[in-house]
Amino acid sequence: GAVVSQHPSWVICKSGTSVKIECRSLDFQATTMFWYRQFPKQSLMLMATSNEGSKATYEQGVEKDKFLINHASLTLSTLTVTSAHPEDSSFYICSATLGQGRYGYTFGSGTRLTVV
Amino acid sequence: TQLLEQSPQFLSIQEGENLTVYCNSSSVFSSLQWYRQEPGEGPVLLVTVVTGGEVKKLKRLTFQFGDARKDSSLHITAAQPGDTGLYLCAGALAGANNLFFGTGTRLTVIP
Repeated sequence: GAVVSQHPSWVICKSGTSVKIECRSLDFQATTMFWYRQFPKQSLMLMATSNEGSKATYEQGVEKDKFLINHASLTLSTLTVTSAHPEDSSFYICSATLGQGRYGYTFGSGTRLTVV
Repeated sequence: TQLLEQSPQFLSIQEGENLTVYCNSSSVFSSLQWYRQEPGEGPVLLVTVVTGGEVKKLKRLTFQFGDARKDSSLHITAAQPGDTGLYLCAGALAGANNLFFGTGTRLTVIP
């Protein structure tokens, strides 16, 4: 079945530094990838949708300059949290689909970011 | 305000009991999915429903999509401790790729 690999699984960084999270579709080409954020004991909130070769579409309230998304190929999307602050600490999850959603969504295992 | 509201938010039951989780919205979805998520992991797909009124069964789990494709329910029969987890419904709006998640239901099954 379709597999999405997310890396790293956890990261601790200092305030003011930037952190990059990678999301790779291992055995299929993902036309669209999604990035979610999940706070403790809460559900997943969609941050942005990225299509290969084009700019990401951000959900309302998500700072595009803060959360840089690059979808350079059909198998790789990256999320960079720039100038991280403690309030950016969260669980970040990526998802990929072949397209139109009806082909299904495959989720990565998530990245736990802690900013100290 | 989230697109999909789940109820109840928390549920703690004894092993062997039955339960139903509801997922409601005022929007119409082209498809709706149910996931279960363990702590520190990504959500795992349980089922996808696409047709209004559709009912799908997965062992002790029964999923139903509302006739108007605005709501769904998950019924678990004879719950087991292994069913413990966060249950999430998620819907895709017609003509869109984006998958929006419900507010979540945290289920605890006590042995």
